[in-house]
Amino acid sequence: DAGVIQSPRHEVTEMGQEVTLRCKPISGHNSLFWYRQTMMRGLELLIYFNNNVPIDDSGMPEDRFSAKMPNASFSTLKIQPSEPRDSAVYFCASSRGQGSEKLFFGSGTQLSVL
Amino acid sequence: QQQVKQSPQSLIVQKGGISIINCAYENTAFDYFPWYQQFPGKGPALLIAIRPDVSEKKEGRFTISFNKSAKQFSLHIMDSQPGDSATYFCAANPPGAGSYQLTFGKGTKLSVIP
Repeated sequence: DAGVIQSPRHEVTEMGQEVTLRCKPISGHNSLFWYRQTMMRGLELLIYFNNNVPIDDSGMPEDRFSAKMPNASFSTLKIQPSEPRDSAVYFCASSRGQGSEKLFFGSGTQLSVL
Repeated sequence: QQQVKQSPQSLIVQKGGISIINCAYENTAFDYFPWYQQFPGKGPALLIAIRPDVSEKKEGRFTISFNKSAKQFSLHIMDSQPGDSATYFCAANPPGAGSYQLTFGKGTKLSVIP
């Protein structure tokens, strides 16, 4: 199994630009999570999907953030417009069934907003 | 509000020694306590997990000790090796089959020196 695949691995952009992060979960996993990791705040849950449906997006920091899961094998996290404080590592994770037991994380996208 | 407090922030252990990382939680309803291991440039990976109905779980050189009354749990790495050098995160999950709000500690950076 290829695991959770995220792209790009690194993204450098200028403030105000749109950023789109992509994730392919493990085949057969029904739950998908987007997390953000920073030194100050650690790992924070941004949004949780189950069976492609957003269940909880209360962790999305602002309206500038949006996430979609058009099918079971693909999800995107979009930031528009981006700001320097959005700089962080963004992880996608998936799990079989419901919930966050036994999460499988991707390798993350290192985002730098200049 | 930090629901899972992890210590120490960093730890240096000599090869062959025992590494101990501690976590304390506040919510007595938590019923699943995993530890994740993260290498630089990678996403966290599930290492070992425990439920509150047992006081200890061992998998190879890794042991979780759980003290329900004190609301504390710890990770012990026996015979620590340089390859164990990584950041370790404890976490806690609320009850329920579909619970998804896994709360992570801030992490402990372990360095095992030869």
